[in-house]
Amino acid sequence: GEDVEQSLFLSVREGDSSVINCTYTDSSSTYLYWYKQEPGAGLQLLTYIFSNMDMKQDQRLTVLLNKKDKHLSLRIADTQTGDSAIYFCAESYTGTASKLTFGTGTRLQVTL
Amino acid sequence: GAVVSQHPSWVICKSGTSVKIECRSLDFQATTMFWYRQFPKQSLMLMATSNEGSKATYEQGVEKDKFLINHASLTLSTLTVTSAHPEDSSFYICSARDIGTSGAGEQYFGPGTRLTVT
Repeated sequence: GEDVEQSLFLSVREGDSSVINCTYTDSSSTYLYWYKQEPGAGLQLLTYIFSNMDMKQDQRLTVLLNKKDKHLSLRIADTQTGDSAIYFCAESYTGTASKLTFGTGTRLQVTL
Repeated sequence: GAVVSQHPSWVICKSGTSVKIECRSLDFQATTMFWYRQFPKQSLMLMATSNEGSKATYEQGVEKDKFLINHASLTLSTLTVTSAHPEDSSFYICSARDIGTSGAGEQYFGPGTRLTVT
């Protein structure tokens, strides 16, 4: 079955880099996603990576994928207070079906 | 672009009543919409996949007679919680997939509806 795990909490100082980790079990995953959820709100798609890629960078965000270890990470450079939120990784095993399995979520707290 | 709205954003109802939640894709068409449920400090749990013009596909353990889904157009899906009970209190989030997107299958999420059953 599908199982996606994340650490529950991460605290970083403003200006530092944040690295949020995710492990998954379904080796047939096609796409892996990172979503951001602010309190009381829906989810915002931050970025995604195709399973045959190792890395993707988009402005302050860098996604690393180690398919052998089934490990996904999201690095946020120059973390700001506005980055404080819950971050979910998600996987889908076929892009056209779009059925997502979400991780447990990591709460990122940015301190001054 | 790719905006999804939900209505209402917040509702309180009495036990035994029914509540309808709407999910709309405002600037794109969605043949597929998804309904999720999220308990406090927990992840999203997929309840069902809503397909335009056909019956919804429910996940294991989700009662289809209790959570009625209708996807009558390419921009609207509704979730009706029938005979609501306090344990149905939760945050309900919908998402929609733009039929014009690439194979990445990006889902765009609504802002959520907080349901409280008293």
